[in-house]
Formats: sequence, C-alpha cells, structure tokens
Amino acid sequence: GESVGLHLPTLSVQEGDNSIINCAYSNSASDYFIWYKQESGKGPQFIIDIRSNMDKRQGQRVTVLLNKTVKHLSLQIAATQPGDSAVYFCAELSRSGTYKYIFGTGTRLKVLA
Amino acid sequence: NAGVMQNPRHLVRRRGQEARLRCSPMKGHSHVYWYRQLPEEGLKFMVYLQKENIIDESGMPKERFSAEFPKEGPSILRIQQVVRGDSAAYFCASSPWGDRVGQPQHFGDGTRLSIL
Repeated sequence: GESVGLHLPTLSVQEGDNSIINCAYSNSASDYFIWYKQESGKGPQFIIDIRSNMDKRQGQRVTVLLNKTVKHLSLQIAATQPGDSAVYFCAELSRSGTYKYIFGTGTRLKVLA
Repeated sequence: NAGVMQNPRHLVRRRGQEARLRCSPMKGHSHVYWYRQLPEEGLKFMVYLQKENIIDESGMPKERFSAEFPKEGPSILRIQQVVRGDSAAYFCASSPWGDRVGQPQHFGDGTRLSIL
C-alpha cells in the first residue's frame, strides 16, 4: 500500500549546525507534501509545504527539497536551535480514492547544547 | 485563540465505558479530520467529515467507533465499550476547503485517552 517513511528515526545535531531530515514516499502520483513539527504534548504544527511542480521551497530557516525522480523529500533547518527539538513528520496527500494525508512515522530531532 | 480546540485534553475511562472526544474546528473551517497516534508513532487517519456528512471513514474501526460533525456544535468522536488498546492520543485537524485543493491542515493539541 501507499506509505510515507523516514530514513532516520532519531537525529542528534549540535546547536548552530544545520539539520537535514529525510522522507521517502511511495506514490509517484502524490502532488502535495507538508512538513509538520510536533512538540511533546502538542499537536502537529505546520512548518512548510511544497507542490510537485516545484523542487525547492524556502521559509524562515527551513527549506524543503523534493526529488520526484527518487520520490524523496527532505527538510533542512539552518542554524538549529534548542527550540527546534521535536518530532518532525512529513505528510503526503494521497489521491487514491478520497483525498487524505498519509503521515510518516516521524523523526525525533535532538539539539545538543 | 482561534485555533482548533479539542476537549478534554486528558480522558480516563474504565474498560467497557464510553469515551466522547470533542473538536471545534477553526473558524470558517467546515472540514474535520480525526487521527490516532500511539506513542513514538505517526498519525493514522481515522475519518474525514464535513458538516453533517461523513466523507471518508476508511481508517475507523468498524465496531465501537463513530464520528459526527453536526450542523451546529463540535465534531464528536465516540468510542463505545472502550478497551485497553484504545489508549492513544486522538488528534483533530480542520481545513477550509478539503484536501482536494492541497493545503495544510490545522491541528488541535489532542485528547489523551487512557483506559484503566
């Protein structure tokens, strides 16, 4: 079935370094992707999205890259801060049947002081 | 705060009781989604509703679980005769136009359901 997976379940990064969180998706027909950040005890918070007609999109300190050839999505966080510590999810908009999002299992980002 | 509101934040039930989880979407949003999350796992889609309609319930167990989104009032996720395996965090999300457009969903902070 369709799935969205992540390569690294836990990522530890030194404060000030850049972080890269990866995601693989299986449905080549998916055309919209979102990255969410989830802090402990809270709901997912929207970070950035990208449509399939783009291969890169930048926000404030974050960049999402989309490689449709290998069905890969990544989230880059520049100058990682302690407040970036959280679990990060990618979500793929599945257009099989009714439209719904498929979430990956998540990557925990730990920022080391 | 005009975000998605869920209540209660924590709910404790004994096996066999009923659990009712409420979700008030963001103002102006008529599409509501329910997800379930186990510890250290991702979100699993349960059901997608519009006002007075269930659009997609493919992720919801066939028995004991039901959802509604009435014309007035919050969306309700109802779990009857709860079992220990129902213990999880349940998240609600809303959006203004539905997923056909491709847009972010806005999430509440969830209800943590614990079954004794």
